[in-house]
Amino acid sequence: QSVLTQPPSASGTPGQRVTMSCSGSNSNIGSNFVYWYQQFPGTAPKLLIYWNNQRPSGVPDRFSGSKSGTSASLAISGLRSEDEADYYCEAWDDSLNGPVFGGGTKLTVL
Amino acid sequence: QVHLVESGGGLVKPGGSLRLSCAASGFSFSDYYMSWIRQAPGKGLEWVSYISNMGTTVYFADSVKGRFTISRDNPKNSLFLQMDSLRAEDTAVYYCVRNHGGPGELEIDSWGQGTLVTVSS
Repeated sequence: QSVLTQPPSASGTPGQRVTMSCSGSNSNIGSNFVYWYQQFPGTAPKLLIYWNNQRPSGVPDRFSGSKSGTSASLAISGLRSEDEADYYCEAWDDSLNGPVFGGGTKLTVL
Repeated sequence: QVHLVESGGGLVKPGGSLRLSCAASGFSFSDYYMSWIRQAPGKGLEWVSYISNMGTTVYFADSVKGRFTISRDNPKNSLFLQMDSLRAEDTAVYYCVRNHGGPGELEIDSWGQGTLVTVSS
């Protein structure tokens, strides 16, 4: 059972906008930054969003992050087939005094 | 360019030990926190352990506390994970990662390719 809760799956058609959520508590998302990682099968994850809504260089602006209270969201606009991957959220947890991940959301492009 | 290469994975029996190594290059190793992240087959990511840049602060997930030890050799640009009393549930790909920031704000900005640890009799 992950400390951060993500829906196990999400889907959309090419060109569509999809969002996926990451739910936590006051000790993690509510008081710390949220990070998002993208992972393709058989490869290491990659940083997608940092500090709630900032994109590293090279990440398309189709990807955006947001946070409100104890929840965060990752949005992908103009969905493409190559966006099909697993997406994980991460945040520091003050109660555990360590970082925690969500269980991941598998995005399928129909 | 940041380069992280893990080694030391393999098949080990329950109760056994294994030592993972990570060779880092392309950056000033002693300036960064480093961590080990693992992923069981078909499962999500789990933060196993981190160590501060000078090795003075360490963290372990409850699932490995008391069994795993993390260390680093800054002059040799190397990170280690000593894993003792291994259990079947420790079976996973173990990633060496570089962290940006520190406690309260620990981001992963670079990943190794991972090394597979299989615990089975």
